[in-house]
Amino acid sequence: DVKVTQSSRYLVKRTGEKVFLECVQDMDHENMFWYRQDPGLGLRLIYFSYDVKMKEKGDIPEGYSVSREKKERFSLILESASTNQTSMYLCASSFESNTGELFFGEGSRLTVL
Amino acid sequence: GDSVTQMEGPVTLSEEAFLTINCTYTATGYPSLFWYVQYPGEGLQLLLKATKADDKGSNKGFEATYRKETTSFHLEKGSVQVSDSAVYFCALTPYNFNKFYFGSGTKLNVKP
Repeated sequence: DVKVTQSSRYLVKRTGEKVFLECVQDMDHENMFWYRQDPGLGLRLIYFSYDVKMKEKGDIPEGYSVSREKKERFSLILESASTNQTSMYLCASSFESNTGELFFGEGSRLTVL
Repeated sequence: GDSVTQMEGPVTLSEEAFLTINCTYTATGYPSLFWYVQYPGEGLQLLLKATKADDKGSNKGFEATYRKETTSFHLEKGSVQVSDSAVYFCALTPYNFNKFYFGSGTKLNVKP
């Protein structure tokens, strides 16, 4: 089975802190994605990566950055956390092109105080 | 731009009732369409998909038909169970599968 693992299920941080969210997949997928999930807004794409060291902005990249140094790992970085970044963050991965199916991690719920 | 609109929830049904969750989309070209499900405390998982017009996706008793003429992909199940209680997301991806667009999600509550 494909497994996408997010490092932390729950985090509580203070405004201005630097936050790292880690995601690891074990199926050699080329594509990796970071979404945030908010009630009534569904999933919104923050960043995605289609190869090591490659990244593209999604729909809401402001306040975030990403890092993909190895194929299996995709990190989301909040340089200076703010309260409006309190949310559920979902990592996903997929093959470059086949059925287009996304495989999701269980999510990281971040609270910024 | 590409987008997905799905019906507001929550939807509350009794066990064995018929379920419809509406989904319409806006897209250029010929997108692939998906329904994902998120059970409580879990990540999203693919429920079913359709990659071209008139295709019917099906899984676990759920069905959805890709209707290009009405730009719709409504989810249906003839008889829901308590275990179907979850949040359902309609989604599309353009031809290159690199970007996915999700609806806002519809929460389904099924009562015994």
